[in-house]
Amino acid sequence: QQQVKQSPQSLIVQKGGIPIINCAYENTAFDYFPWYQQFPGKGPALLIAIRPDVSEKKEGRFTISFNKSAKQFSLHIMDSQPGDSATYFCAASLTRGGSEKLVFGKGTKLTVNP
Amino acid sequence: NAGVTQTPKFQVLKTGQSMTLQCAQDMNHEYMSWYRQDPGMGLRLIHYSVGAGITDQGEVPNGYNVSRSTTEDFPLRLLSAAPSQTSVYFCASSYGPLYEQYFGPGTRLTVT
Repeated sequence: QQQVKQSPQSLIVQKGGIPIINCAYENTAFDYFPWYQQFPGKGPALLIAIRPDVSEKKEGRFTISFNKSAKQFSLHIMDSQPGDSATYFCAASLTRGGSEKLVFGKGTKLTVNP
Repeated sequence: NAGVTQTPKFQVLKTGQSMTLQCAQDMNHEYMSWYRQDPGMGLRLIHYSVGAGITDQGEVPNGYNVSRSTTEDFPLRLLSAAPSQTSVYFCASSYGPLYEQYFGPGTRLTVT
């Protein structure tokens, strides 16, 4: 059972466009929802994370929107640049309790054309 | 700071061989974890540790052992390698929750 579903698998936009990546989860016990960026040959890097009691969070050109009732969240990249071309992963984290949990979506490969 | 370092970068094993993937961090992080990344599968947590002497299983622990004798090091052991363990392995560390982690550069393992 896939706990975090991510779409689309790949995405191509023109420079300046606003790519949107969507994720959905099932377990309402998750308490943080991070996004990671991964360039080829490198490890992922944490971009931004949101709690379920917050509907939107911005960091620079990256924005997470969160819909708790629909159990969905999404990443928007404003004014996208060719340097944003990477694979993006959403994830869901359980940080409370005696056992931590972190599950990832399958990733979205973003290409931003100049 | 070197951050999170992993050795080796590449490794080829035959089925049934054993080996240890090394991971070290110099940031005095309490949390360390191991992931495997397979095409189209995202990252999956293998084992994690919240401090020296404390480890716990993640999503896909079978076939892997870990121990944490120091804050700095968190080796991952494959006792009897299988082709299904062909993957890219990432180590990560953080001060606090798992998700706030810094990833290492990865080890690409092929089991033939």
